Amino acid sequence: EIVLTQSPATLSLSPGERATLSCRASQTISSHLAWYQQRPGQAPRLLIYDASNRATGIPARFSGSWSGTDFTLTISSLEPEDFAVYYCQQRHNWPLTFGQGTRLGIK
Amino acid sequence: EVHLVESGGGLVQPGGSLRLSCAASGFNFNSYSMNWVRQAPGKGLEWVSYISSSSISLYYADSVKGRFTVSRDNAQNSLYLHMHSLRLDDVAVYFCARAAGPTVPETIDYWGQGTLVTVSS
Repeated sequence: EIVLTQSPATLSLSPGERATLSCRASQTISSHLAWYQQRPGQAPRLLIYDASNRATGIPARFSGSWSGTDFTLTISSLEPEDFAVYYCQQRHNWPLTFGQGTRLGIK
Repeated sequence: EVHLVESGGGLVQPGGSLRLSCAASGFNFNSYSMNWVRQAPGKGLEWVSYISSSSISLYYADSVKGRFTVSRDNAQNSLYLHMHSLRLDDVAVYFCARAAGPTVPETIDYWGQGTLVTVSS
């Protein structure tokens, strides 16, 4: 099973700041990684698929990149609604696996 | 607009059974593969099961293999998860989730709001 390790576990920033979230895969997964946002009490929402493609309706302040087995989600300028938990997920092999999440909180 | 609505969750005793349902609308259900994903209280996301559009391909997480069965009724635009031999560690919100495209495995692009399964004596 492919293990995804997210860092940091918690990130505290202020609105307007730049957020950088990381996800490392335990083996090569090509670009087969997605990022999801989950607000309290809500279902996850797809932000980025295949490492760097924004999903429909996702603002341009969200971007994804990757190098080897290291993946990054960047939020260029935080809006109040961006404070949530973020998960990465790989679709390279079964079983689908998720990272443990990064909680982005308000400083 | 894609809409996924789960139902069937509730309280069940250890060793008991439950059937979850997911009603899909807003897209051609019979053209999309589907997944179940769960989230234990305060924890992260765990993929549970996958079913292809025609029900030919089925996949399960090791944690539920042999106890859970996924099925679908394309005529009714419905997805099901039959859960047996339920354990305390099956307590979670169960999400119905659509696979984005035809590749296997595939990204999940839409999620329902989930239904809570509680296992307790």
